[in-house]
Amino acid sequence: DIQMTQSPTSLAASVGESVTITCLASEDIYGSLVWYQQKPGKSPQLLIYGATILEDGIPSRFSGSGSDTQYSLKINSLQPEDFASYYCQNGLSTPWTFGGGTKLELK
Amino acid sequence: QVQLKESGPGLVQPSETLSLTCTVSGFSLTSYSVSWVRQPSGKGPEWMGRMWYDGDTAYNSALKSRLSISRDTSKNQVFLKMNSLQTDDTGTYYCTRDRATTVAVFDYWGQGVMVTVSS
Repeated sequence: DIQMTQSPTSLAASVGESVTITCLASEDIYGSLVWYQQKPGKSPQLLIYGATILEDGIPSRFSGSGSDTQYSLKINSLQPEDFASYYCQNGLSTPWTFGGGTKLELK
Repeated sequence: QVQLKESGPGLVQPSETLSLTCTVSGFSLTSYSVSWVRQPSGKGPEWMGRMWYDGDTAYNSALKSRLSISRDTSKNQVFLKMNSLQTDDTGTYYCTRDRATTVAVFDYWGQGVMVTVSS
């Protein structure tokens, strides 16, 4: 199975700041990386797929990058609604595995 | 619009069988695949298995011996059955629509159903 390791596990930031979350795959997933946002008590929401492709309706302050085994999610100019948990997911091969999550909290 | 809704018992006894139903609307089960994903409280999600649009199934090998996924296209429903439940099966169970085919992109999620395994 492909292991997905996210860092940091938690992160405190202020409104207006920029943050970056990283995801490391245990093997090359050839860009098949997906990012989700999850707010407390809610279902995950698709943000980015194919490592860099922004889902329709997602603000452009979210961006994804990376290749091979290393991927990043960057959020520019944090808004109050961005404070949530974020998960990466291997989309390449079964079992489709998720990272353990990064909780973004308000400083 | 695309919607998925899970239903089933919130409490299951240890060693018993969990049965969940996912009722979908806004898309066809013969055009899109549907996966079941579960999430223990405070942890990352875990993909359990997929009902392909063509009726085939795929399972997480860690659960394969206990898990069965089926569907009724006439009712727009996908079913999950998992036996021999233990306390570490407690969590929220989601059904999701898979946008892609050979890769997995879960673009719509149900609201989830919280399942507690306890006597």
